[in-house]
Amino acid sequence: EAGVAQSPRYKIIEKRQSVAFWCNPISGHATLYWYQQILGQGPKLLIQFQNNGVVDDSQLPKDRFSAERLKGVDSTLKIQPAKLEDSAVYLCASRLTGTASYEQYFGPGTRLTVT
Amino acid sequence: GQQVMQIPQYQHVQEGEDFTTYCNSSTTLSNIQWYKQRPGGHPVFLIQLVKSGEVKKQKRLTFQFGEAKKNSSLHITATQTTDVGTYFCAANAGGTSYGKLTFGQGTILTVHP
Repeated sequence: EAGVAQSPRYKIIEKRQSVAFWCNPISGHATLYWYQQILGQGPKLLIQFQNNGVVDDSQLPKDRFSAERLKGVDSTLKIQPAKLEDSAVYLCASRLTGTASYEQYFGPGTRLTVT
Repeated sequence: GQQVMQIPQYQHVQEGEDFTTYCNSSTTLSNIQWYKQRPGGHPVFLIQLVKSGEVKKQKRLTFQFGEAKKNSSLHITATQTTDVGTYFCAANAGGTSYGKLTFGQGTILTVHP
């Protein structure tokens, strides 16, 4: 079974530039999550999708961050404009719904550096 | 909002010593999960605890869920160098959260051979 795919793996941009990250979840996983992990901290949920609908985006800085999952499969996360404090690893995770397990499967992440 | 505290932040042990990390939630939980993140890697699921007072074992790892379902612990017996990494607890409040997890800040484990 293929895992969660993310690209790019690394990105360096200057502040005020824009950047986009892509995620392809495990096939059949209806729930998709985007997390921000700042160095030395635990992952922080940014947005959660159930199929192509947003379930929770309460911690998404909506003035600069946006995300979509148009066909209920792939998802993109965008930052525009980026700030220095956005430097972090952006993790995508997916989950199979309709089971007793809440296990999330994480992708390798995109390491963003904002200079 | 929900807060999840994890202690200690760091733990350095000699190979063969035991290790324990503790997780406390400000609210009663539906379930709690534990993840391991190797240096430079991504979080990998270890286990899920659901029932009050539940204890689960995976080889040298023992996981416990408190009676009040507000705290949990992970204990590793006789650590090995392969246990190096950051251990996170992740709390699920249940309800309509659709499996939303709130992660603790993690415990970084280093094992000296």
